[in-house]
Amino acid sequence: SQQGEEDPQALSIQEGENATMNCSYKTSINNLQWYRQNSGRGLVHLILIRSNEREKHSGRLRVTLDTSKKSSSLLITASRAADTASYFCATDGWEGQGAQKLVFGQGTRLTINP
Amino acid sequence: EAQVTQNPRYLITVTGKKLTVTCSQNMNHEYMSWYRQDPGLGLRQIYYSMNVEVTDKGDVPEGYKVSRKEKRNFPLILESPSPNQTSLYFCASSFLNEKLFFGSGTQLSVL
Repeated sequence: SQQGEEDPQALSIQEGENATMNCSYKTSINNLQWYRQNSGRGLVHLILIRSNEREKHSGRLRVTLDTSKKSSSLLITASRAADTASYFCATDGWEGQGAQKLVFGQGTRLTINP
Repeated sequence: EAQVTQNPRYLITVTGKKLTVTCSQNMNHEYMSWYRQDPGLGLRQIYYSMNVEVTDKGDVPEGYKVSRKEKRNFPLILESPSPNQTSLYFCASSFLNEKLFFGSGTQLSVL
């Protein structure tokens, strides 16, 4: 399985600081996605970055992808209390019969302290 | 409104009593998938479907069944639930190689 692994497992910072989370994976991918989950709720998509892209921005979010190192990072700038959530990376690739599988890591629990 | 609808939100049952968790999407997505989420284990894929009548096993398919008779629906069936299937379940859908839309989740407790 080409599961993504997030690092750190938990992160606690002060409001206004930047938060960086990392994701590593094992095999070649088509794209890598980041999701956010508020406690017990469904995941919400944040950013999708394709294997031929190196960096992508969306508001206060910045995602980088290094396919040579099989790693990605999610940066949240100027954090807010409302950013408190769990963040997951998900990778997909093609199985032998051309079937798509999206595999999630275990997530980083981010806490923003006021 | 584009959404993935899962029902029920909460379910308590007893060992061996068959149950179905429904999932429906209104976005004409080809791809649908079921995940379970357990503390410390993240999200693990149970089954997925690339299109109508096309389903395949994920990483933890044992004890579960699915069907995809219509494009919009992808029910998850537990023929004989056991306590180790107590978990938070999510249905999700997408166009191929695009972002997933998740349902609100079903918290299942098997006593």
